[in-house]
Amino acid sequence: GENVEQHPSTLSVQEGDSAVIKCTYSDSASNYFPWYKQELGKRPQLIIDIRSNVGEKKDQRIAVTLNKTAKHFSLHITETQPEDSAVYFCAASSTLRSNYQLIWGAGTKLIIKP
Amino acid sequence: EAQVTQNPRYLITVTGKKLTVTCSQNMNHEYMSWYRQDPGLGLRQIYYSMNVEVTDKGDVPEGYKVSRKEKRNFPLILESPSPNQTSLYFCASSSVGPGANVLTFGAGSRLTVL
Repeated sequence: GENVEQHPSTLSVQEGDSAVIKCTYSDSASNYFPWYKQELGKRPQLIIDIRSNVGEKKDQRIAVTLNKTAKHFSLHITETQPEDSAVYFCAASSTLRSNYQLIWGAGTKLIIKP
Repeated sequence: EAQVTQNPRYLITVTGKKLTVTCSQNMNHEYMSWYRQDPGLGLRQIYYSMNVEVTDKGDVPEGYKVSRKEKRNFPLILESPSPNQTSLYFCASSSVGPGANVLTFGAGSRLTVL
C-alpha cells in the first residue's frame, strides 16, 4: 500500500547549525506535502506545506524542497534555535483521491544542543 | 477562537468499562478524524468522517466506534476498552479534506486502561 518513509528518526544538531529531514513517498499521484511540528506535550501544528506544482517553498528559516521524479521531499531548518526542538512529521496526500487522506511519516525527533 | 476541543484530556479507566471521548470543532469543517499516537509509531488514523453521517475506517479501527450526527461533533467510543488502547488520542478537523487544507488538532486526550 501507499507509505511515507521518514529519516532520520532522531536528529541532534548544534544550535545555529542546519537540520534536514527527508521523506520518501510511494504514491506517484501524491500532490500535497505538509510538515507538522509537535512540541513536547503539545498538539501537532502545520509549519509549512508544498504542492507538486512547485519545487521549493520558504518561510523564514524553514524551507521544503520537492523532487517529484525521485518521489522525495525534505524539510530544511537553518540557524536552528532551542525552540526548534520537537518531533516533526511529514505527510503526503493526493487531491485526486476522493477521501483526501494523508499518509504520515513516523516522525523525526529533532534535538537542538546548546 | 477557532479550535478543536477534546474531552476528557486525561482519563484512567479499567478494562471493559465503556467510555466516550468527545471532539467538537467550531470552524464548520466538513472533515474530522481521530488519531492515536504511541511512542515510535507516529500518528495512526483510527476513523475519519468526510461529512455528517459519513464515516470511514482508518488504519487502526479495531476496538473503536465513531458517529457523526452533527457537523461539529465527532465522538470516539471505546465500547470495551483494553490495555492496548492506552494511548494519546488526537482529534483533528479541516475544511474539504486534509490533502487540500490544514488539519487543526485538538489538545489531545491521554487515556490509560488498567
